[in-house]
Amino acid sequence: DAGVTQSPTHLIKTRGQQVTLRCSPISGHKSVSWYQQVLGQGPQFIFQYYEKEERGRGNFPDRFSARQFPNYSSELNVNALLLGDSALYLCASSPAGDVGNQPQHFGDGTRLSIL
Amino acid sequence: GENVGLHLPTLSVQEGDNSIINCAYSNSASDYFIWYKQESGKGPQFIIDIRSNMDKRQGQRVTVLLNKTVKHLSLQIAATQPGDSAVYFCAENSGGSNYKLTFGKGTLLTVNP
Repeated sequence: DAGVTQSPTHLIKTRGQQVTLRCSPISGHKSVSWYQQVLGQGPQFIFQYYEKEERGRGNFPDRFSARQFPNYSSELNVNALLLGDSALYLCASSPAGDVGNQPQHFGDGTRLSIL
Repeated sequence: GENVGLHLPTLSVQEGDNSIINCAYSNSASDYFIWYKQESGKGPQFIIDIRSNMDKRQGQRVTVLLNKTVKHLSLQIAATQPGDSAVYFCAENSGGSNYKLTFGKGTLLTVNP
């Protein structure tokens, strides 16, 4: 079975632009979470979506938004890009919304570089 | 506040030796912990998890130990192989939160042949 898939794998943007990243969860998984990983650090939580509803949001500005579609895939949008948004953006899926009892499984991420 | 950290940022071992990677957490309300392995250019890969009602759990060549008294977590890898070289992260469910994980900074494990 396919794991979590993310697209694109790499992306280069300039300051002020907008970007959309995409994620397809493992088949049968209804929860998708997004994390930002800056080089040399652990992933930082951005959003969780379950059954198309936002269930949690991390300490990120309103420039970051996301949504989940009826097929449980998800998009992460970032507006007005800043140099500091350069990072690896990871998507993780799990069967249900409760991450306190089951592991999240990660994709290989989208490497976003801001010039 | 929420803080999951690691004692050792780097660890170098010889092939065949056992490895121990440590992690400290500060939120006593956390009740679920996970170890992930991240290879260069890849996303974190699930290794093993443990709930707070346990103090030890074993998988294939890996063992996780949880000491709730001192809020300490460790990952033991038996007979370490070159393919085990990676960055290892511990993560917690953020003080009982059921929707997000908090990760530590990671430990780079290098296995020398």
